[in-house]
Amino acid sequence: EADIYQTPRYLVIGTGKKITLECSQTMGHDKMYWYQQDPGMELHLIHYSYGVNSTEKGDLSSESTVSRIRTEHFPLTLESARPSHTSQYLCASSALRRQGRDEQFFGPGTRLTVL
Amino acid sequence: SQQGEEDPQALSIQEGENATMNCSYKTSINNLQWYRQNSGRGLVHLILIRSNEREKHSGRLRVTLDTSKKSSSLLITASRAADTASYFCATVGSSNTGKLIFGQGTTLQVKP
Repeated sequence: EADIYQTPRYLVIGTGKKITLECSQTMGHDKMYWYQQDPGMELHLIHYSYGVNSTEKGDLSSESTVSRIRTEHFPLTLESARPSHTSQYLCASSALRRQGRDEQFFGPGTRLTVL
Repeated sequence: SQQGEEDPQALSIQEGENATMNCSYKTSINNLQWYRQNSGRGLVHLILIRSNEREKHSGRLRVTLDTSKKSSSLLITASRAADTASYFCATVGSSNTGKLIFGQGTTLQVKP
């Protein structure tokens, strides 16, 4: 069982609201990732981080922003939610490459619905 | 798809049968991984195969990799109803940034 947590699990919110999706891991992993996944579709990387104070945009353009002030915490923020942001957001983490482990560990996801 | 094709998109079998899923990718890779996702949940890592490996086993799982064809297959033997889930392949490119590129997934239903 992976020690990576996401809150909330489900969120229904009105257009224009600011939201923060929380992600925390207790495995001491340096790398963390945010993916967006629509129902029945593949995952798309929207943000990633290789460590504290490191954040990068992923392969899919997103209006969200992230921060990495602490190793274990990688929150994602939407300043003004829109219906097009409705999706499932998955957080993941992995150890550094030199530790010989490449697999990513995923949280349970946050299902966001913007009305 | 940003990575390639997975086929079939959906597979329905009886308990006890074997299930085979295929994945193709577009660029050179460092490794290829298979993940499982139960409905509406996060992903769970199943198995990783490196670019210099051709076959790998883990319990009832068997993964093959053909880098010349840029393809991989996942075989689940003696399937169980609890294997019902979506299965995704994901690749790490040869530049080895650690970023995963996912396929579209295969939805497997195992009927009791």
